[in-house]
Amino acid sequence: DVKVTQSSRYLVKRTGEKVFLECVQDMDHENMFWYRQDPGLGLRLIYFSYDVKMKEKGDIPEGYSVSREKKERFSLILESASTNQTSMYLCASSSDPAKGYEQYFGPGTRLTVT
Amino acid sequence: AQSVSQHNHHVILSEAASLELGCNYSYGGTVNLFWYVQYPGQHLQLLLKYFSGDPLVKGIKGFEAEFIKSKFSFNLRKPSVQWSDTAEYFCAVNFKAAGNKLTFGGGTRVLVKP
Repeated sequence: DVKVTQSSRYLVKRTGEKVFLECVQDMDHENMFWYRQDPGLGLRLIYFSYDVKMKEKGDIPEGYSVSREKKERFSLILESASTNQTSMYLCASSSDPAKGYEQYFGPGTRLTVT
Repeated sequence: AQSVSQHNHHVILSEAASLELGCNYSYGGTVNLFWYVQYPGQHLQLLLKYFSGDPLVKGIKGFEAEFIKSKFSFNLRKPSVQWSDTAEYFCAVNFKAAGNKLTFGGGTRVLVKP
């Protein structure tokens, strides 16, 4: 079974703090993704990566950056956290094209910025 | 821009009632289609997927979905729901022209009353 793990389930940070969210997958997937999930808005793509050290902006990259130094690990960084970044953050990895890029999700990190 | 629409944000129904959740997408090219479910407190998991072939696909837990290409739709159905189907349901589309990303709908919260 594919397993995607995220470093924290719940996180509380103060405005202006630098925040690191970590994600690890164990299935040797090429592609990894970071989303935020907000009520009524579904999942919105922040950044994704299709290879080590490669990254692409998603739909809402402002205020975020990412790092992928190893294939299994994809980090989301909030350089200076703001209250409007309070959200649920989901990491996913995806399988090969033969499976239509089906994505596997981690349990999520609920981030509160005060 | 490619988009995915889910018609209902909230659905409330009683056990044994039939469920149909609508999903439409904006793009006329080749697509892969998914329905994901998020049970309370759990991570997103795949219900079913369509890549090609029979447009009526069956998934886990008695769910099925029908791809109607002419209507750009991929509606999810279950003939008789149970209390345990209370969850949030997300339609997702891989627009092949956009590469390996998924675009998600806004989600539908389903509450099944016992």
